[in-house]
Amino acid sequence: DAKTTQPPSMDCAEGRAANLPCNHSTISGNEYVYWYRQIHSQGPQYIIHGLKNNETNEMASLIITEDRKSSTLILPHATLRDTAVYYCIVSSLGANSKLTFGKGITLSVRP
Amino acid sequence: DTGVSQDPRHKITKRGQNVTFRCDPISEHNRLYWYRQTLGQGPEFLTYFQNEAQLEKSRLLSDRFSAERPKGSFSTLEIQRTEQGDSAMYLCASSASTGGRNYGYTFGSGTRLTVV
Repeated sequence: DAKTTQPPSMDCAEGRAANLPCNHSTISGNEYVYWYRQIHSQGPQYIIHGLKNNETNEMASLIITEDRKSSTLILPHATLRDTAVYYCIVSSLGANSKLTFGKGITLSVRP
Repeated sequence: DTGVSQDPRHKITKRGQNVTFRCDPISEHNRLYWYRQTLGQGPEFLTYFQNEAQLEKSRLLSDRFSAERPKGSFSTLEIQRTEQGDSAMYLCASSASTGGRNYGYTFGSGTRLTVV
């Protein structure tokens, strides 16, 4: 699976949009971009995934560049409960695939 | 079905003792994964099962570690002769894999092991 690069941390103000970047320049054509988050002392929680089109669900939006070498997770109105570590992962949906986590980005939402 | 359950949530044990953790996946999920997470790091893959078959083991899984999924339902992870370096959060996840494709993971809340 391709590797991802994320900055170690960022912060944003409550109520504002949080834009979390991720680089995955070696992504293969059959690999998806997944985002998970982990709130302190809990297991990772699935947020969203996409292949090449932008995706939106009730939690977030995922914007993938046309060349698929980077993506941005957008939390449109961040709340204090969104403070967490966010993991960007690239993986195929193949039968032998598994999720490989990096260190992620720590998002701190300030009041 | 309320998701992936792990038991216990916390375990403190003395060095040299054996410990066993249990994971109950989402019932319709045929894949089950074990991960380990230490402070400040992302989860690291240990092993996974498809139904009752253990298909892959990480190099992190030393001889002291053994995992089973006897009937393709719940799974246990046993650590023998625990060492202080085994202190970590042990996470279980499950997913559905059909037609050669693997779908999203659901994680449990983990078992935090402290070896003293």
